[in-house]
Amino acid sequence: QITLKESGPTLVKPTQTLTLTCTFSGFSLSTPGEGVGWVRQPPGEALEWLALLYWDDDKRYSPSLKSRLTITKDISKHQVVLTMTNMDPVDTATYYCAHRQKTITVATRFDHWGQGSPVTVSS
Amino acid sequence: DIQMTQSPSTLSASVGDRVTITCRASQTIDSWLAWYQQKAGKAPNLLIYTASNLESGVPSRFSGSGFGTEFTLTISSLQPDDFATYYCQQYNSFPLTFGGGTKVEIK
Repeated sequence: QITLKESGPTLVKPTQTLTLTCTFSGFSLSTPGEGVGWVRQPPGEALEWLALLYWDDDKRYSPSLKSRLTITKDISKHQVVLTMTNMDPVDTATYYCAHRQKTITVATRFDHWGQGSPVTVSS
Repeated sequence: DIQMTQSPSTLSASVGDRVTITCRASQTIDSWLAWYQQKAGKAPNLLIYTASNLESGVPSRFSGSGFGTEFTLTISSLQPDDFATYYCQQYNSFPLTFGGGTKVEIK
């Protein structure tokens, strides 16, 4: 059974760096084909993909946010960490981590999601 | 980037209605399309993948079709549990992109 859970601050100040941790179970990021992504959703708005990390350490980022994002993994802790620098009020959103469903395409869909981590950016 | 456009943005329907939601891609994505259901305050839930394949555990009243740039999600007989927002997502190429969502409301 695959589960994921996000953790991190609920409030950050403008210009600060956000660090979110996704702790997962039911799979290993050392297994070929596995991957974990991050998706965010501002209040009342649509989903926006941010980043994706594969088992082989291949990393993909949203071009519009690439300069601000870093995704890393700690296999032994079953964790994926997303950092986003220079936070702004427009980054206020619920941030989800999600498990990559294995497909023949490099790009992917997500079959299991965490509950979401709400983040407000305000001074 | 591939833009995903959903219509309508809001849909009012009654229990038992047949409901169809459309998703259009700005360029061809073959069949690399997924549909998600999201209820208020909850994470999205995968319904359909590769345009027409039903995810395990999803009721058979949900179905998907389409290829290339035009896709549909159909609920054959709307149930009370189906009132939610639905999103399409393309995974033909990066960046992954989602549609703007279709909220299905009670009529």
